[in-house]
Amino acid sequence: DGGITQSPKYLFRKEGQNVTLSCEQNLNHDAMYWYRQDPGQGLRLIYYSQIVNDFQKGDIAEGYSVSREKKESFPLTVTSAQKNPTAFYLCASTTTGASINQPQHFGDGTRLSIL
Amino acid sequence: QKEVEQNSGPLSVPEGAIASLNCTYSDRVSQSFFWYRQYSGKSPELIMSIYSNGDKEDGRFTAQLNKASQYVSLLIRDSQPSDSATYLCAGTRLRGGSYIPTFGRGTSLIVHP
Repeated sequence: DGGITQSPKYLFRKEGQNVTLSCEQNLNHDAMYWYRQDPGQGLRLIYYSQIVNDFQKGDIAEGYSVSREKKESFPLTVTSAQKNPTAFYLCASTTTGASINQPQHFGDGTRLSIL
Repeated sequence: QKEVEQNSGPLSVPEGAIASLNCTYSDRVSQSFFWYRQYSGKSPELIMSIYSNGDKEDGRFTAQLNKASQYVSLLIRDSQPSDSATYLCAGTRLRGGSYIPTFGRGTSLIVHP
C-alpha cells in the first residue's frame, strides 16, 4: 500500500544536539510538507517542497533545516538553535503544489522531546 | 485576523445528536476547504473536501461552504462516541506561486453516551 512513513515514532534530544526526522513516501507525490503541532494547537508549517532539489520556508522555519534530494524523501533536521523543540511533527504530501484542490496525506508523526 | 479560525471547544453532544463544527476564513484563503479528523496522539485523516458554494454530503457527514459569509461548517449526524476527536478545518493560500495549506487550531468534539 502507498503511504508516508515517518521514523522514528519517538525521539529524544539532548541540549545542543541536532536530530533528524525521516519522511519517506511511495505515493509518487511531487509536493511534501513538514508541520509542527503543539498541544491544543493546529498545524504550523515549517518547510515545504514542491519539487526535487527545491524547498521553501514555511511560517516557523527558524531552528529547522530540510533537504529534498530525492522525490520520495524529505528529512527534517531540528537544530540546536530550536530552543523549544518538544512537539508532534507531521510530514505530509500532495500530488502537486500547483493545484488548489489537493488534500494532504499524512504520515503517522514523530513525537520529539527534550531530555 | 488568523487565516482560518475555529472555536477550540470542547463541543460536547449526546450520542445520536447532530454535531455542528464551524470555521471562518480570511480573504487570504482560497475557497477550497478540507475537514480532517484527528484522534488523540494520531495524525489527521481527511473526512471531507468542499470547493463549491453549498452543501456536500457523504454518509453521516455534510460539509457546507458559504463564500459570501466566509464560513465553512461540518455537520455530523447521528453522532457516535467514536466520533470523539479533534476536527481540523483547512484552507489553501497562494504563496510564491504554490498553493499552501493553512489550518485552524481544531475543535475538540466529545460525544457522550
